[in-house]
Amino acid sequence: EDKVVQSPLSLVVHEGDTVTLNCSYEVTNFRSLLWYKQEKKAPTFLFMLTSSGIEKKSGRLSSILDKKELFSILNITATQTGDSAIYLCAVEADRGSTLGRLYFGRGTQLTVWP
Amino acid sequence: GAGVSQSPSNKVTEKGKDVELRCDPISGHTALYWYRQSLGQGLEFLIYFQGNSAPDKSGLPSDRFSAERTGGSVSTLTIQRTQQEDSAVYLCASSYSSYEQYFGPGTRLTVT
Repeated sequence: EDKVVQSPLSLVVHEGDTVTLNCSYEVTNFRSLLWYKQEKKAPTFLFMLTSSGIEKKSGRLSSILDKKELFSILNITATQTGDSAIYLCAVEADRGSTLGRLYFGRGTQLTVWP
Repeated sequence: GAGVSQSPSNKVTEKGKDVELRCDPISGHTALYWYRQSLGQGLEFLIYFQGNSAPDKSGLPSDRFSAERTGGSVSTLTIQRTQQEDSAVYLCASSYSSYEQYFGPGTRLTVT
């Protein structure tokens, strides 16, 4: 059974802290791993990772994929209260007739206190 | 439009009633996906459309759930004889081919 596991499930930090969110997966026919930020309802896209060892960066956020060990991390440096959200990890699998089917983890609820 | 839109944003219905949820994808996006997010759970895949056809319906939880897409654009998810366990946020996403999916704001369904 395909699965995506995120840890921790929740995290509370203070502004300025650095956080690392984890995502491990067991999915056959892996195509890519995606990170989304969900503040209210609609998840917003952060990163798509397809190759091992290549870090993707966007401002204070960065992410890297390890396809050998089957995990990814999302780092947020100098956290701000606006970073408070649920961070979702999803793995895209090729299911033949279904391109882009995503398997989601349960998410990490990040709370940043001022 | 600029993004994926969904309607209604909230729906409260009585157990046993039928509901229809609508999704308007980003113009030009050929792929459309429906997901369900129950409280404290990750997003659960329901169905995938490529154009107007649905090659993968494997995520639909029961035969009370159905979906269609017309004109390669708007999609409707129908839930018949709603049950309390159907209460969730229903999210629609669209993408161009297999690139990253863009999500709509979702419909929060509450079955009383």
